[in-house]
Amino acid sequence: DQQVKQNSPSLSVQEGRISILNCDYTNSMFDYFLWYKKYPAEGPTFLISISSIKDKNEDGRFTVFLNKSAKHLSLHIVPSQPGDSAVYFCAATARGSQGNLIFGKGTKLSVKP
Amino acid sequence: GAGVSQSPSNKVTEKGKDVELRCDPISGHTALYWYRQSLGQGLEFLIYFQGNSAPDKSGLPSDRFSAERTGGSVSTLTIQRTQQEDSAVYLCASSYRGEQPQHFGDGTRLSIL
Repeated sequence: DQQVKQNSPSLSVQEGRISILNCDYTNSMFDYFLWYKKYPAEGPTFLISISSIKDKNEDGRFTVFLNKSAKHLSLHIVPSQPGDSAVYFCAATARGSQGNLIFGKGTKLSVKP
Repeated sequence: GAGVSQSPSNKVTEKGKDVELRCDPISGHTALYWYRQSLGQGLEFLIYFQGNSAPDKSGLPSDRFSAERTGGSVSTLTIQRTQQEDSAVYLCASSYRGEQPQHFGDGTRLSIL
């Protein structure tokens, strides 16, 4: 049973617009969440994270929002750039900031010039 | 280099053969993780080493899979009597003292004929 779900396999956005990637989780023990970006033939690269004690974390063009009651998080990228085109993975852990990660299946983002 | 290094980058082998995959973590990182990504899936946790503690093997899919970490640095993932369902990208990650985020290598693409 999938504990971390990314229900949109793909998303297409125009350059300059906002990209919103969504992630849902089922395990209420999860307390730390991360987003990774992956280009073909490369390993995932860490983007941004959020602890369950917060509801928002921002880093430049990237903002992650956490809604604990809905067990939902989202990654906002604004403005979107063609170089943002990649697969984005949501991940969670139930051990504070330590331990192995549980990953979603990813969302492929395409940013059109 | 400064990142996580994995070798080989690609491995093709016949069903029934044994394979060894190598991971060299970032210097100073005491935690090391193995994941695998099958086609169209998210990353699946396999095993976690943290310092001198007993490894967390809870993600290993069968007793054909084993891993060791010698001297607290380099790790080897061994798959015995390979099956076609073992075909996947095997990713290694490391982190400082087990803290997030984990930093990933580019993976080994394993193909079983």
